[in-house]
Amino acid sequence: KQEVTQIPAALSVPEGENLVLNCSFTDSAIYNLQWFRQDPGKGLTSLLLIQSSQREQTSGRLNASLDKSSGRSTLYIAASQPGDSATYLCAVPTSGSARQLTFGSGTQLTVLP
Amino acid sequence: DAGVIQSPRHEVTEMGQEVTLRCKPISGHNSLFWYRQTMMRGLELLIYFNNNVPIDDSGMPEDRFSAKMPNASFSTLKIQPSEPRDSAVYFCASSLGEHSPLHFGNGTRLTVT
Repeated sequence: KQEVTQIPAALSVPEGENLVLNCSFTDSAIYNLQWFRQDPGKGLTSLLLIQSSQREQTSGRLNASLDKSSGRSTLYIAASQPGDSATYLCAVPTSGSARQLTFGSGTQLTVLP
Repeated sequence: DAGVIQSPRHEVTEMGQEVTLRCKPISGHNSLFWYRQTMMRGLELLIYFNNNVPIDDSGMPEDRFSAKMPNASFSTLKIQPSEPRDSAVYFCASSLGEHSPLHFGNGTRLTVT
């Protein structure tokens, strides 16, 4: 059974810092991994999707890496801004399925101005 | 595209009443998912459809929960009778396929008193 863990659960940093969010998963036989952002009272917004054949994906100040063999992914946020404050969740396909996702519990990020 | 549209945004009802949540996926997406989010359990997949056909409903907690997708542009999640422990945010999401990002609606916050 796929299990996803995110560390830390909460993180507070001053504006301008670079930061790394961590995600680990137990079943490395995954098709892809997604990072999402969730703002309070809103749904999840997909940030990056890394296919199993890729090692990283970049979008603006965001960079996500994937190490399938070790069951880990990181989300790197460069030059953080107060607008980056949100909960960040990673998700991987549930064991034996390409479409069903198992989500981590998220990292709540606060960027202080 | 307007994205995934859910209604209502908020629903407050009394225990024992029937609740119907609605979802319009992104046009052209062939997979639709219903998730439930609570503080205690995080995001849980309830059921998903592929090409309007229910594929896996093992996440549906009880027989009080049912979901339908009569056509490619509409789905409902019904709870009858509702109970206080059903209080949560219910999300609908859709995707183009197994290698595509998942797009979420803004959710329906359900409160059962």
